[in-house]
Amino acid sequence: GEDVEQSLFLSVREGDSSVINCTYTDSSSTYLYWYKQEPGAGLQLLTYIFSNMDMKQDQRLTVLLNKKDKHLSLRIADTQTGDSAIYFCAESMNNAGNMLTFGGGTRLMVKP
Amino acid sequence: AAGVIQSPRHLIKEKRETATLKCYPIPRHDTVYWYQQGPGQDPQFLISFYEKMQSDKGSIPDRFSAQQFSDYHSELNMSSLELGDSALYFCASSSQTGELFFGEGSRLTVL
Repeated sequence: GEDVEQSLFLSVREGDSSVINCTYTDSSSTYLYWYKQEPGAGLQLLTYIFSNMDMKQDQRLTVLLNKKDKHLSLRIADTQTGDSAIYFCAESMNNAGNMLTFGGGTRLMVKP
Repeated sequence: AAGVIQSPRHLIKEKRETATLKCYPIPRHDTVYWYQQGPGQDPQFLISFYEKMQSDKGSIPDRFSAQQFSDYHSELNMSSLELGDSALYFCASSSQTGELFFGEGSRLTVL
């Protein structure tokens, strides 16, 4: 989407960390999400962060939010081949935080 | 745990035909959303319903309509299908917490 931007492609080696970046424009966003989509499959919610938080960690996933720069990142530690997928960043469009604008998606390729 | 169920998973139609997609939300979720994801595109919000009433509207064509029923399931009706309607249609549901859960999607192919 035009209001949420992501780089198109990221390639890493297995075991390395991956960092997927996202910028958004709507400063009133209340929730920011990361979704994973494997080929031909649905959207799997990985994690989300409230706009009043700076960081959220969940096992191998770390989300960093810089509200001033409207920048969101997803770090995947110890990246595995099973992490290869398209990762979508999304921002909420309403105060309830559940109407989403998606970024264009970042295709992560993990090389063995 | 029960997830969002969509049917059919795959649907092939010809131009100018009509298609109906169904979505069964997670139990006790009162809000349903429809998204359209074209080939190589990001999902685009179409429409949402809360407690059987339309709550928000996105880029849904006039040829499409949707509703939410008393059991909270929702149907997306698409008429006068065009080639450009070929896409993956996602349904998502949420409760008051605002966290969205997506179904596996229904892939519509228009020939």
